[in-house]
Amino acid sequence: GAGVSQSPSNKVTEKGKDVELRCDPISGHTALYWYRQSLGQGLEFLIYFQGNSAPDKSGLPSDRFSAERTGGSVSTLTIQRTQQEDSAVYLCASSLTASGISYEQYFGPGTRLTVT
Amino acid sequence: AQKITQTQPGMFVQEKEAVTLDCTYDTSDPSYGLFWYKQPSSGEMIFLIYQGSYDQQNATEGRYSLNFQKARKSANLVISASQLGDSAMYFCAMRDNNYGQNFVFGPGTRLSVLP
Repeated sequence: GAGVSQSPSNKVTEKGKDVELRCDPISGHTALYWYRQSLGQGLEFLIYFQGNSAPDKSGLPSDRFSAERTGGSVSTLTIQRTQQEDSAVYLCASSLTASGISYEQYFGPGTRLTVT
Repeated sequence: AQKITQTQPGMFVQEKEAVTLDCTYDTSDPSYGLFWYKQPSSGEMIFLIYQGSYDQQNATEGRYSLNFQKARKSANLVISASQLGDSAMYFCAMRDNNYGQNFVFGPGTRLSVLP
């Protein structure tokens, strides 16, 4: 079946521009996660959507970052007024949750964002 | 708050030998899950193995096994018969109910398999 997809795969933008990154989770997965990964570094948690609950936005680094998830499926991560330090790979993942903690995350291929 | 510690930033292993990647965790929730992911240079994140806190036996998946020591709060990944394709970053992660079932990742260990 189809995995998690992300678009675009690469995005080059000028400093100060807004960008939108898209994530299509696996159908039926109620949880969706966004992470940022700088070159050679670990995963930096950004935001977590779980079903119809209010998202956990505790990882968003500034108010320039926002995300939404429409219809419990597709999610868009928006970065306003991009800065060079926003350059990174943005990874999306989805997971079954319901009431279980045993379900692993499935990751998308990521969007490589370069801010010039 | 949950925390995952991976104390080995980098590891080297000779091809065909076994290697252990360390992971310790901290949680107050008695029910939790531990996960290991592999990230090759291509960037994809690949799920390897899962261990539940109530599982009686250590998890195994092919050449991967998890040395789960609950009292010590450690969940070390053991890779047997290392292959060149095992060279990658390895991340330990935990999920419990304290954090709304969110995942917490460790900083990762870079494994290099030598021919």
